[in-house]
Amino acid sequence: QTVVTQEPSLTVSPGGTVTLTCASSTGAVTSGYYPNWFQQKPGQAPRALIYSTSNKHSWTPARFSGSLLGGKAALTLSGVQPEDEAEYYCLLYYGGAQLGVFGTGTKVTVL
Amino acid sequence: QVQLVQSGAEVKKPGSSVKVSCKASGGTFTNYAISWVRQAPGQGLEWMGGIIPIFGAANYAQKFQGRVTINADESTGTAYMELSSLRSEDTAVYYCARLLRGISAGTYYYYGMDVWGQGTTVTVSS
Repeated sequence: QTVVTQEPSLTVSPGGTVTLTCASSTGAVTSGYYPNWFQQKPGQAPRALIYSTSNKHSWTPARFSGSLLGGKAALTLSGVQPEDEAEYYCLLYYGGAQLGVFGTGTKVTVL
Repeated sequence: QVQLVQSGAEVKKPGSSVKVSCKASGGTFTNYAISWVRQAPGQGLEWMGGIIPIFGAANYAQKFQGRVTINADESTGTAYMELSSLRSEDTAVYYCARLLRGISAGTYYYYGMDVWGQGTTVTVSS
């Protein structure tokens, strides 16, 4: 049973920077896991932010960026806005990138 | 602009089955791959499986093997997810989402997910 682990919660001040990470129980996360990141606000469907480690969708604000950091996938929010307060999920692909596993989610509070 | 529109909320008895639809508009459905994701109340996202309609074969998360069937009707641009032997723990919002896919050495792979449906609430209760 593969487990993908994220920080349960993080707090950041408006205008600050915060980095979320995504770790795999199988070992280091590489680009071959095609890390994806999603934002979800209460009562809403998830919204895609990042695919294939660092690629942004056309609607993704410039302050969001994805990378690999110390064997994990990472999502960095720079110049955080109050509207960035949300739950964030990563997604890794396994089994020849034919099966996905979501991370446990990180609640980001802007305070 | 691609949109995914799901069927309405369902209330089911334990032991029964539910079938949720996901209709695509915009773009070419045959180029899509579709995944199904669920979220139990107050819980995180859970990948259930995915399908590339032109190939027909679906991949399922091990947890749902034998209980879920994902298929698609290219003629109507609609994907379906059927979950059987329902129990109370299956109470959740079920989402479809478009998968970004590629092919390498004759094998397809998924590398992203972009557009999501609005979600379908399935309640399992006696």
